[in-house]
Amino acid sequence: KQEVTQIPAALSVPEGENLVLNCSFTDSAIYNLQWFRQDPGKGLTSLLLIQSSQREQTSGRLNASLDKSSGRSTLYIAASQPGDSATYLCAVGGATNKLIFGTGTLLAVQP
Amino acid sequence: DAGVTQSPTHLIKTRGQQVTLRCSPKSGHDTVSWYQQALGQGPQFIFQYYEEEERQRGNFPDRFSGHQFPNYSSELNVNALLLGDSALYLCASSMTGVDYEQYFGPGTRLTVT
Repeated sequence: KQEVTQIPAALSVPEGENLVLNCSFTDSAIYNLQWFRQDPGKGLTSLLLIQSSQREQTSGRLNASLDKSSGRSTLYIAASQPGDSATYLCAVGGATNKLIFGTGTLLAVQP
Repeated sequence: DAGVTQSPTHLIKTRGQQVTLRCSPKSGHDTVSWYQQALGQGPQFIFQYYEEEERQRGNFPDRFSGHQFPNYSSELNVNALLLGDSALYLCASSMTGVDYEQYFGPGTRLTVT
């Protein structure tokens, strides 16, 4: 059974700092991995999608990497801003693109 | 493009009642999935619809059922509501296949009293 874990559960950093969020999964037989952002009480906003054949994806200040063999992904956020404060969720996708989520990392960026 | 839309935004029901939630997918998307998100948890997969059929189902009881219409919109029905069904219900749409991102709607907050 696939399990997804995100560490740390919560993180507080000063504005401008570079940071890394971690995601691990137990079964390497995934088809893709997707990172999402969720603001309090809101839906999910897709940040990056990495196909199983890819090693990383970049969008603006965000960079996500994928190491299937070790069951790990990282989300790197450069030059953090207060507007980046949210919960970040990673999810692994199976054959029908059913997503299995971690419990998220709550990020607070202090001005 | 309006993206994924869901209705209603909030809903309060009493134990034992039935509820129907609605989802309109992003334009061009043919696959709709439903997720339940309890407070402080990651979303849990309920089921997925493609070509008007349930293609895959998560670990949810038969009280949870759904439907997809020819225009790809979808409904989630929950019968005999329990207090534990209180959650944020999220709809996601995508084109079929694993190469495509899933886009989520704003969710419906269901409170069961």
